[in-house]
Amino acid sequence: DIQMTQSPSSLSASVGDRVTITCRASQSIGSYVNWYQLKAGKAPKLLIFGVFSLQSGVPSRFSGSGSGTDFTLTISSLQPEDFATYYCQQSYSSLPSWTFGQGTKVEIK
Amino acid sequence: QVQLVQSGAEVRKPGASVTVSCKASGYTFSRYAMHWVRQAPGQRFEWMGWINAGNGNTKHSQKFQGRVTISRDTSASIVYLELRSLRSEDTAVYYCARSILTPNYFDPWGQGTAVTVSS
Repeated sequence: DIQMTQSPSSLSASVGDRVTITCRASQSIGSYVNWYQLKAGKAPKLLIFGVFSLQSGVPSRFSGSGSGTDFTLTISSLQPEDFATYYCQQSYSSLPSWTFGQGTKVEIK
Repeated sequence: QVQLVQSGAEVRKPGASVTVSCKASGYTFSRYAMHWVRQAPGQRFEWMGWINAGNGNTKHSQKFQGRVTISRDTSASIVYLELRSLRSEDTAVYYCARSILTPNYFDPWGQGTAVTVSS
């Protein structure tokens, strides 16, 4: 499997802060990275696909960057509704399966 | 709007089977694929398998070889996940998620179905 490792596992931040979450792949995966947001009791939500592309309806304060093995999700100005857990996912190879990072929980400071 | 609505929570004993359903609406069912992804408590998401809703072809993770069946009812726009020989480690929230037929990302996702395996 392609292993996806996120850091940090959790962070505390204040409203208005700039937040950066990183995701490292165990091998080069080009631009095949997606980011999801998960809130308790809700369906996971696609934020960014193909490293950079913002899913329709997602606020522009979310952005993605990176290539190869290292990728970043940035929230430029954290809002109250952004406190959630974020996951990266590689869509480079389904052999043997698509894989996700372990998640980064963003908590209120 | 595109919506995936899953069946309700289930409790099973070890060794039993469970079937979770996912009803799709708001798009042409047969033009997309549907995946099943689960998340055990405190764990990352784990992809289980997918079905081409058009032709019914399936593929699943080798981890679930022999225990999982993914099927669909095109007339009702429903996809099913059957997991057999349940063990405690199968306790998780199970999600369906749509993709295009050449999967790239999962969007949208269902609301999740909690499956608890306990004696």
